Amino acid sequence: EDQVTQSPEALRLQEGESSSLNCSYTVSGLRGLFWYRQDPGKGPEFLFTLYSAGEEKEKERLKATLTKKESFLHITAPKPEDSATYLCAVLWGGADGLTFGKGTHLIIQP
Amino acid sequence: DVKVTQSSRYLVKRTGEKVFLECVQDMDHENMFWYRQDPGLGLRLIYFSYDVKMKEKGDIPEGYSVSREKKERFSLILESASTSQTSMYLCASTEGSLGGTGNTIYFGEGSWLTVV
Repeated sequence: EDQVTQSPEALRLQEGESSSLNCSYTVSGLRGLFWYRQDPGKGPEFLFTLYSAGEEKEKERLKATLTKKESFLHITAPKPEDSATYLCAVLWGGADGLTFGKGTHLIIQP
Repeated sequence: DVKVTQSSRYLVKRTGEKVFLECVQDMDHENMFWYRQDPGLGLRLIYFSYDVKMKEKGDIPEGYSVSREKKERFSLILESASTSQTSMYLCASTEGSLGGTGNTIYFGEGSWLTVV
Protein backbone atom coordinates (compact mmCIF):
# COMPACT_ATOMS: atom_id res chain seq x y z
CA GLU A 1 0.00 0.00 0.00
CA ASP A 2 1.33 3.39 -0.99
CA GLN A 3 2.06 5.72 1.88
CA VAL A 4 1.30 8.80 -0.21
CA THR A 5 -1.44 8.71 -2.84
CA GLN A 6 -2.15 11.51 -5.26
CA SER A 7 -5.33 11.87 -7.28
CA PRO A 8 -6.20 12.21 -10.00
CA GLU A 9 -3.20 10.82 -11.89
CA ALA A 10 -3.92 13.22 -14.71
CA LEU A 11 -6.22 16.21 -15.09
CA ARG A 12 -7.05 18.27 -18.12
CA LEU A 13 -8.72 21.65 -17.55
CA GLN A 14 -9.70 24.59 -19.66
CA GLU A 15 -7.98 27.88 -18.97
CA GLY A 16 -9.81 29.58 -16.11
CA GLU A 17 -11.43 26.36 -14.86
CA SER A 18 -10.59 26.01 -11.17
CA SER A 19 -10.00 22.62 -9.57
CA SER A 20 -8.22 20.78 -6.77
CA LEU A 21 -5.54 18.11 -6.59
CA ASN A 22 -5.56 15.66 -3.71
CA CYS A 23 -2.75 14.13 -1.69
CA SER A 24 -3.69 11.58 0.96
CA TYR A 25 -1.22 9.91 3.30
CA THR A 26 -1.28 6.97 5.67
CA VAL A 27 1.95 7.61 7.53
CA SER A 28 1.92 8.44 11.22
CA GLY A 29 3.83 11.19 12.92
CA LEU A 30 3.63 13.70 10.10
CA ARG A 31 6.36 16.30 10.42
CA GLY A 32 5.70 18.16 7.20
CA LEU A 33 3.88 17.92 3.87
CA PHE A 34 5.57 19.38 0.83
CA TRP A 35 4.25 20.36 -2.59
CA TYR A 36 6.49 20.59 -5.63
CA ARG A 37 5.95 21.45 -9.27
CA GLN A 38 7.90 19.57 -11.92
CA ASP A 39 8.18 20.58 -15.56
CA PRO A 40 9.13 17.98 -18.20
CA GLY A 41 12.83 17.13 -18.12
CA LYS A 42 13.51 19.25 -15.03
CA GLY A 43 13.92 18.73 -11.32
CA PRO A 44 11.07 19.42 -8.87
CA GLU A 45 10.59 23.04 -7.85
CA PHE A 46 9.50 23.76 -4.29
CA LEU A 47 6.06 25.33 -3.78
CA PHE A 48 4.86 24.92 -0.18
CA THR A 49 5.42 23.20 3.13
CA LEU A 50 2.54 22.59 5.56
CA TYR A 51 3.16 21.40 9.10
CA SER A 52 -0.17 21.08 10.91
CA ALA A 53 -3.84 20.43 10.20
CA GLY A 54 -5.71 23.60 9.34
CA GLU A 55 -2.69 25.31 7.88
CA GLU A 56 -3.03 27.04 4.49
CA LYS A 57 -0.49 28.63 2.18
CA GLU A 58 -0.96 30.59 -1.04
CA LYS A 59 1.18 31.51 -3.98
CA GLU A 60 -0.33 33.25 -6.99
CA ARG A 61 -3.11 30.96 -8.28
CA LEU A 62 -2.21 28.09 -5.94
CA LYS A 63 -3.43 27.43 -2.43
CA ALA A 64 -2.43 24.41 -0.36
CA THR A 65 -4.41 23.16 2.61
CA LEU A 66 -3.80 20.37 5.11
CA THR A 67 -6.06 18.14 7.18
CA LYS A 68 -5.14 15.20 9.38
CA LYS A 69 -5.05 12.72 6.52
CA GLU A 70 -4.82 14.71 3.31
CA SER A 71 -3.80 17.86 1.57
CA PHE A 72 -5.36 19.73 -1.31
CA LEU A 73 -3.72 21.93 -3.86
CA HIS A 74 -6.35 24.32 -5.16
CA ILE A 75 -5.75 25.96 -8.51
CA THR A 76 -7.83 29.05 -9.16
CA ALA A 77 -8.38 30.30 -12.72
CA PRO A 78 -5.40 28.37 -14.08
CA LYS A 79 -3.37 29.46 -17.08
CA PRO A 80 -1.56 27.25 -19.63
CA GLU A 81 1.74 27.97 -17.87
CA ASP A 82 0.41 26.13 -14.82
CA SER A 83 0.64 22.91 -16.81
CA ALA A 84 3.09 20.60 -15.02
CA THR A 85 3.27 17.56 -12.80
CA TYR A 86 2.51 18.42 -9.17
CA LEU A 87 4.21 16.27 -6.57
CA CYS A 88 3.26 15.81 -2.94
CA ALA A 89 5.73 14.48 -0.38
CA VAL A 90 5.65 13.81 3.34
CA LEU A 91 8.25 13.87 6.07
CA TRP A 92 7.20 11.50 8.81
CA GLY A 93 8.31 9.58 11.87
CA GLY A 94 12.05 9.34 12.17
CA ALA A 95 12.72 9.61 8.45
CA ASP A 96 15.38 11.96 7.16
CA GLY A 97 14.12 12.20 3.60
CA LEU A 98 10.80 12.81 1.91
CA THR A 99 8.38 10.10 0.76
CA PHE A 100 6.78 11.15 -2.53
CA GLY A 101 3.49 10.43 -4.20
CA LYS A 102 3.46 9.60 -7.90
CA GLY A 103 2.22 13.01 -8.93
CA THR A 104 -0.70 14.57 -10.77
CA HIS A 105 -0.08 15.51 -14.38
CA LEU A 106 -2.01 18.74 -14.99
CA ILE A 107 -2.74 20.12 -18.44
CA ILE A 108 -4.35 23.52 -18.88
CA GLN A 109 -5.75 24.04 -22.35
CA PRO A 110 -6.01 27.59 -23.77
CA ASP B 1 18.90 31.24 -4.70
CA VAL B 2 19.94 27.73 -3.83
CA LYS B 3 21.72 26.01 -6.66
CA VAL B 4 22.11 22.26 -6.93
CA THR B 5 24.11 21.33 -10.00
CA GLN B 6 24.27 17.91 -11.58
CA SER B 7 27.19 17.87 -13.96
CA SER B 8 25.86 15.33 -16.45
CA ARG B 9 22.38 15.81 -17.84
CA TYR B 10 22.33 12.91 -20.28
CA LEU B 11 24.48 9.78 -20.19
CA VAL B 12 24.47 6.52 -22.12
CA LYS B 13 26.49 3.70 -20.57
CA ARG B 14 26.99 0.02 -21.29
CA THR B 15 25.94 -2.80 -19.00
CA GLY B 16 28.69 -3.55 -16.51
CA GLU B 17 30.31 -0.12 -16.68
CA LYS B 18 31.07 1.84 -13.55
CA VAL B 19 29.11 5.09 -13.56
CA PHE B 20 29.63 8.24 -11.53
CA LEU B 21 26.94 10.89 -11.14
CA GLU B 22 28.19 14.10 -9.60
CA CYS B 23 26.26 16.70 -7.66
CA VAL B 24 27.40 20.01 -6.21
CA GLN B 25 25.45 22.49 -4.06
CA ASP B 26 26.54 26.05 -3.38
CA MET B 27 24.67 26.84 -0.14
CA ASP B 28 26.78 25.02 2.44
CA HIS B 29 23.91 22.61 3.10
CA GLU B 30 24.52 19.78 5.54
CA ASN B 31 22.19 17.19 4.04
CA MET B 32 22.32 15.83 0.54
CA PHE B 33 20.19 13.19 -1.16
CA TRP B 34 20.03 11.02 -4.25
CA TYR B 35 16.65 10.00 -5.64
CA ARG B 36 15.66 8.17 -8.77
CA GLN B 37 12.45 8.90 -10.63
CA ASP B 38 10.64 6.37 -12.78
CA PRO B 39 7.26 6.53 -14.52
CA GLY B 40 4.55 5.02 -12.35
CA LEU B 41 6.87 4.73 -9.34
CA GLY B 42 7.58 8.35 -8.50
CA LEU B 43 10.68 9.51 -6.67
CA ARG B 44 12.45 6.98 -4.48
CA LEU B 45 15.29 7.70 -2.08
CA ILE B 46 18.53 5.87 -2.81
CA TYR B 47 21.01 7.32 -0.31
CA PHE B 48 21.47 10.42 1.76
CA SER B 49 24.27 12.05 3.67
CA TYR B 50 24.04 14.37 6.66
CA ASP B 51 27.72 15.22 6.87
CA VAL B 52 31.03 14.77 5.15
CA LYS B 53 32.01 11.10 4.94
CA MET B 54 28.64 10.09 6.44
CA LYS B 55 26.03 8.17 4.46
CA GLU B 56 22.74 6.44 5.13
CA LYS B 57 20.78 4.02 2.99
CA GLY B 58 17.44 5.11 1.66
CA ASP B 59 14.65 2.91 0.38
CA ILE B 60 16.41 1.42 -2.66
CA PRO B 61 20.20 1.35 -2.08
CA GLU B 62 20.91 -1.97 -3.80
CA GLY B 63 23.34 -1.61 -6.70
CA TYR B 64 24.43 1.87 -5.65
CA SER B 65 27.02 3.47 -3.44
CA VAL B 66 27.81 7.08 -2.61
CA SER B 67 30.74 9.27 -1.70
CA ARG B 68 30.88 12.55 0.14
CA GLU B 69 34.44 13.75 0.59
CA LYS B 70 33.56 17.45 0.65
CA LYS B 71 30.50 19.15 2.08
CA GLU B 72 29.38 20.61 -1.23
CA ARG B 73 29.78 17.45 -3.34
CA PHE B 74 27.80 14.20 -3.24
CA SER B 75 28.49 11.46 -5.78
CA LEU B 76 26.33 8.51 -6.72
CA ILE B 77 28.19 5.45 -7.98
CA LEU B 78 26.83 2.54 -9.94
CA GLU B 79 29.50 -0.11 -9.51
CA SER B 80 28.28 -2.24 -12.41
CA ALA B 81 25.49 -0.61 -14.33
CA SER B 82 22.48 -2.68 -15.35
CA THR B 83 19.57 -1.93 -17.66
CA SER B 84 17.25 -1.79 -14.64
CA GLN B 85 19.14 1.30 -13.54
CA THR B 86 18.05 3.27 -16.58
CA SER B 87 16.28 6.21 -14.96
CA MET B 88 16.31 9.88 -14.11
CA TYR B 89 18.50 10.59 -11.10
CA LEU B 90 17.86 13.62 -8.94
CA CYS B 91 20.24 15.11 -6.44
CA ALA B 92 18.91 17.33 -3.65
CA SER B 93 20.13 19.22 -0.62
CA THR B 94 18.79 20.87 2.50
CA GLU B 95 20.14 22.87 5.39
CA GLY B 96 19.78 20.93 8.62
CA SER B 97 16.57 19.29 9.76
CA LEU B 98 13.42 19.39 7.66
CA GLY B 99 10.58 19.02 10.13
CA GLY B 100 8.93 22.21 11.35
CA THR B 101 11.90 24.40 10.58
CA GLY B 102 10.93 26.05 7.35
CA ASN B 103 13.66 24.15 5.55
CA THR B 104 12.92 22.30 2.36
CA ILE B 105 14.72 20.06 -0.05
CA TYR B 106 16.05 21.72 -3.20
CA PHE B 107 16.55 19.60 -6.28
CA GLY B 108 18.95 19.68 -9.19
CA GLU B 109 17.84 19.46 -12.81
CA GLY B 110 18.32 15.70 -13.00
CA SER B 111 20.60 13.29 -14.83
CA TRP B 112 19.05 11.02 -17.42
CA LEU B 113 20.95 7.73 -17.46
CA THR B 114 20.39 5.10 -20.12
CA VAL B 115 22.13 1.74 -19.69
CA VAL B 116 22.29 -0.35 -22.85
